[in-house]
Amino acid sequence: KAGVTQTPRYLIKTRGQQVTLSCSPISGHRSVSWYQQTPGQGLQFLFEYFSETQRNKGNFPGRFSGRQFSNSRSEMNVSTLELGDSALYLCASDLGHRDRAYEQYFGPGTRLTVT
Amino acid sequence: GDSVTQMEGPVTLSEEAFLTINCTYTATGYPSLFWYVQYPGEGLQLLLKATKADDKGSNKGFEATYRKETTSFHLEKGSVQVSDSAVYFCALSAKGAQKLVFGQGTRLTINP
Repeated sequence: KAGVTQTPRYLIKTRGQQVTLSCSPISGHRSVSWYQQTPGQGLQFLFEYFSETQRNKGNFPGRFSGRQFSNSRSEMNVSTLELGDSALYLCASDLGHRDRAYEQYFGPGTRLTVT
Repeated sequence: GDSVTQMEGPVTLSEEAFLTINCTYTATGYPSLFWYVQYPGEGLQLLLKATKADDKGSNKGFEATYRKETTSFHLEKGSVQVSDSAVYFCALSAKGAQKLVFGQGTRLTINP
């Protein structure tokens, strides 16, 4: 079974621009979550999508948004990029069942550098 | 809110040494607990998990026991290898929370 894939793997953007990252979950997984990883803040939860609906959201500004398509693929968008948005963005997928052991499978990440 | 605290790193050991990475948590109710590993340039891989008190998760020689009384989930391995060099993350998921809360990570380096 293919794992979680993320595109692109590396991205360099300029302050003020916007960026869109893509995630394809494991086949059959209906939930996709996004995390931001930085040396200073560690791994922080951005949001989770299930059946095309945002089901959970972390404490990030509105510049961070996402969506999910009917095939469970997900995209996240960051508008008006700031230097502090430089990070590894990780996508994770799982079956999406509530009240079950929450075992997520992670993709390799997209390394975003904002200059 | 829910939180996870890991022992500070980095940790450097010689091959075949015994490994312990401490992890304690704060959460309401009884969360599921996980250890993830991140190799250089890669995403996170699930190493092991435990879903209720006294459960022991194990994989690839690593073990961790869910201790409710001490709110801990320490990672252990009896004999580490150079290939175990990576960053290890302890994490929890509260029931119904639909997200993982991670510790800050512990960088482990094993010297031959």
